[in-house]
Amino acid sequence: GNSVTQMEGPVTLSEEAFLTINCTYTATGYPSLFWYVQYPGEGLQLLLKATKADDKGSNKGFEATYRKETTSFHLEKGSVQVSDSAVYFCASQGGSEKLVFGKGTKLTVNP
Amino acid sequence: DAGVIQSPRHEVTEMGQEVTLRCKPISGHNSLFWYRQTMMRGLELLIYFNNNVPIDDSGMPEDRFSAKMPNASFSTLKIQPSEPRDSAVYFCASSFTGGEGRYTFGSGTRLTVV
Repeated sequence: GNSVTQMEGPVTLSEEAFLTINCTYTATGYPSLFWYVQYPGEGLQLLLKATKADDKGSNKGFEATYRKETTSFHLEKGSVQVSDSAVYFCASQGGSEKLVFGKGTKLTVNP
Repeated sequence: DAGVIQSPRHEVTEMGQEVTLRCKPISGHNSLFWYRQTMMRGLELLIYFNNNVPIDDSGMPEDRFSAKMPNASFSTLKIQPSEPRDSAVYFCASSFTGGEGRYTFGSGTRLTVV
């Protein structure tokens, strides 16, 4: 079945630092890939997605590229803000409606 | 649309009591998912429904857990009897066929079993 592995947290950065959160997937076939974000006290929200190899998803300054050769979908942002502090989840979707989530990576951005 | 609505937001109950969590999905969405979130295990899919029919309940921990979806606008997750290890945040999410993985999550129910 599908699975997702993302880097362990927590990650602590200073404002304006560069962010990378690693995510790799295993799947039969070519799943769609997602990053969701969870702000404190809230449910998860879709941040970005990519549905096929070499697609780049982007939103709010975050980007992730679907790399088939490395089975990866790493999340990046060039300059983080305090308001980006949250938990970030990588997820994949295969042939059904079901999303499989990683364990989440907590990001804290200090001013 | 008000989004996915879950109730209650917080629930504190004694071990052995029955607990019922409720969810109202977004109108027009035909898939509904129940997740449990803990520090130790992260986000676990318990069960999901499509067109009100349970499709995959392999994540339901044991017979103490049951879920129903009597119609397209309402679902319940019941724990009977509850145990302290059931303490977690329970999320409901909904989506629609062709939504390409775009789930809308509720704000969750924080359950504490003492």
